Amino acid sequence: DADVTQTPRNRITKTGKRIMLECSQTKGHDRMYWYRQDPGLGLQLIYYSFDVKDINKGEISDGYSVSRQAQAKFSLSLESAIPNQTALYFCATSPGAQPHTQYFGPGTRLTVL
Amino acid sequence: DQQVKQNSPSLSVQEGRISILNCDYTNSMFDYFLWYKKYPAEGPTFLISISSIKDKNEDGRFTVFLNKSAKHLSLHIVPSQPGDSAVYFCAARYTGTASKLTFGTGTRLQVTL
Repeated sequence: DADVTQTPRNRITKTGKRIMLECSQTKGHDRMYWYRQDPGLGLQLIYYSFDVKDINKGEISDGYSVSRQAQAKFSLSLESAIPNQTALYFCATSPGAQPHTQYFGPGTRLTVL
Repeated sequence: DQQVKQNSPSLSVQEGRISILNCDYTNSMFDYFLWYKKYPAEGPTFLISISSIKDKNEDGRFTVFLNKSAKHLSLHIVPSQPGDSAVYFCAARYTGTASKLTFGTGTRLQVTL
């Protein structure tokens, strides 16, 4: 079984809808991240969490919110989706001992019409 | 402002030859550099890293070189194999930010028979 899982893997939604992307991990890592990737661009950090009580904004947090329900679960929400949020979204985790080495989930492809 | 740049979107190399992927950065406060590899429909996977206090790190067929004066790093793959065909992302960690990474835009490597 995969160590970092994301659901759904693909989602098509309409402008203005609320949508939640979920991430679960079995690696036992404290740190979790959400990134988005757009064509021709690198991965951009949306939010990150160092533990259940610690949530931090990344480079592009506007229009997004997150929830760290447990050490193993980190959800990303789009409160009112817009077309330019169409992208590939990745969740990642890292251990405290090697925080810079991140382990990624398979990604969620989100399309906002 | 793209602080980590991969100026070659794609690279084609024959099997058995050397692949050289390049990455430039602008911020002298980066203290750790990583390479990630990404196959289609999968998340990026960690490949190799180097601390800013070193100029070379080797792991099997993969070697990363760091030239701090030129703010340049490169990934060498010798010999290249068809299974190395993937997108390679360079990433850098800003000093004091624990595990926040800044990614480049990626280089697609194709290893031909």
